[in-house]
Amino acid sequence: GQQLNQSPQSMFIQEGEDVSMNCTSSSIFNTWLWYKQEPGEGPVLLIALYKAGELTSNGRLTAQFGITRKDSFLNISASIPSDVGIYFCAGRDQGAQKLVFGQGTRLTINP
Amino acid sequence: NAGVTQTPKFRVLKTGQSMTLLCAQDMNHEYMYWYRQDPGMGLRLIHYSVGEGTTAKGEVPDGYNVSRLKKQNFLLGLESAAPSQTSVYFCASSSALGLAGGETQYFGPGTRLLVL
Repeated sequence: GQQLNQSPQSMFIQEGEDVSMNCTSSSIFNTWLWYKQEPGEGPVLLIALYKAGELTSNGRLTAQFGITRKDSFLNISASIPSDVGIYFCAGRDQGAQKLVFGQGTRLTINP
Repeated sequence: NAGVTQTPKFRVLKTGQSMTLLCAQDMNHEYMYWYRQDPGMGLRLIHYSVGEGTTAKGEVPDGYNVSRLKKQNFLLGLESAAPSQTSVYFCASSSALGLAGGETQYFGPGTRLLVL
């Protein structure tokens, strides 16, 4: 089946640093989504991408839909303590009724 | 508007016991999903439903059954719990694909299950 490889698995950074994470797929996706999960809660959608090459921002977060349609990137600029959590990428193939999720990137921030 | 709610929040079972997890959504969504989350594994789809009265298998369906008798509810059943089913279970819902925002899945707060 389809698989998503998300990296890095974890990040330990200083407050104020920029963060980059990415997701690669073994097959083409038509939609890429990025979610954030905070402790004890369910994932919450951050950014949705619908077109190859698309670059979309949500505040300090920017995500890109890779040209090959097999990858996506998420950047967080000037990290703050509330950015702590697990970030998941998810992809959907055209016509598919379900999403495939990456393993997650756990972000820890030292103040 | 509560969004997606899950009952119970936490449960301890003994091996072989059965239980049902309840998911309810008040957004009139067509699609509903059950996932399990294990450390380092991300979210894995157990079963899903694209409408009232319909269900389909996901990535890891063995040991689980589901029912969608009402549009707003999606039940996940464990007939004979095993320690391997210790996990955090998340329910999600979304509007139908093809509609605006159809790809966005809204998640519940999770049910933490421990099987001894």
